[in-house]
Amino acid sequence: KAGVTQTPRYLIKTRGQQVTLSCSPISGHRSVSWYQQTPGQGLQFLFEYFSETQRNKGNFPGRFSGRQFSNSRSEMNVSTLELGDSALYLCASSDPGQASGNTIYFGEGSWLTVV
Amino acid sequence: AQTVTQSQPEMSVQEAETVTLSCTYDTSENNYYLFWYKQPPSRQMILVIRQEAYKQQNATENRFSVNFQKAAKSFSLKISDSQLGDTAMYFCAFMSPSGTYKYIFGTGTRLKVLA
Repeated sequence: KAGVTQTPRYLIKTRGQQVTLSCSPISGHRSVSWYQQTPGQGLQFLFEYFSETQRNKGNFPGRFSGRQFSNSRSEMNVSTLELGDSALYLCASSDPGQASGNTIYFGEGSWLTVV
Repeated sequence: AQTVTQSQPEMSVQEAETVTLSCTYDTSENNYYLFWYKQPPSRQMILVIRQEAYKQQNATENRFSVNFQKAAKSFSLKISDSQLGDTAMYFCAFMSPSGTYKYIFGTGTRLKVLA
């Protein structure tokens, strides 16, 4: 099976712009979660989607949003970018129906630099 | 709120030797899941090992094993016969079944395997 695929892998944006990141989960996985990784804050949970519904959300401002499509692919959007949004954004997927359903599998991440 | 603490920011070990990475966590729940993830320089997070809190037996995966002490809320990772490819950041993570894939990560331990 192909792993979790994230696009784009690298991008540079200017303050005030918005960005959309995409994530394709492992085939058959219906849960997709997003994490932000920065040197200062470490790995922080952004949100999790299952069957197109957001089930949980981390402590991030409303500028961070996401959605999930019927094929389980997910996108996250950050509007009005700030310098502090520069980070590695990691997507992870899981299959709640499996015995190891609580395990999430990560993609390679999207590196966002805000200048 | 749950917290995960990794008190060793950096460690090094000689190739073929054994090393133990520490992790403690805080929770009031009785059932939960614990994980170790490895993040090599490529930055992809790779699952190393998982442990269900209701299982008393320590999990093992080839050269990797854990020492799970539920009462002490301790979850250490032992790497035997260390290899150069084990050089990476190692993150301990906690997940509550009620948390719908909201993983709480520690700050990580940077492990360097020396030739």
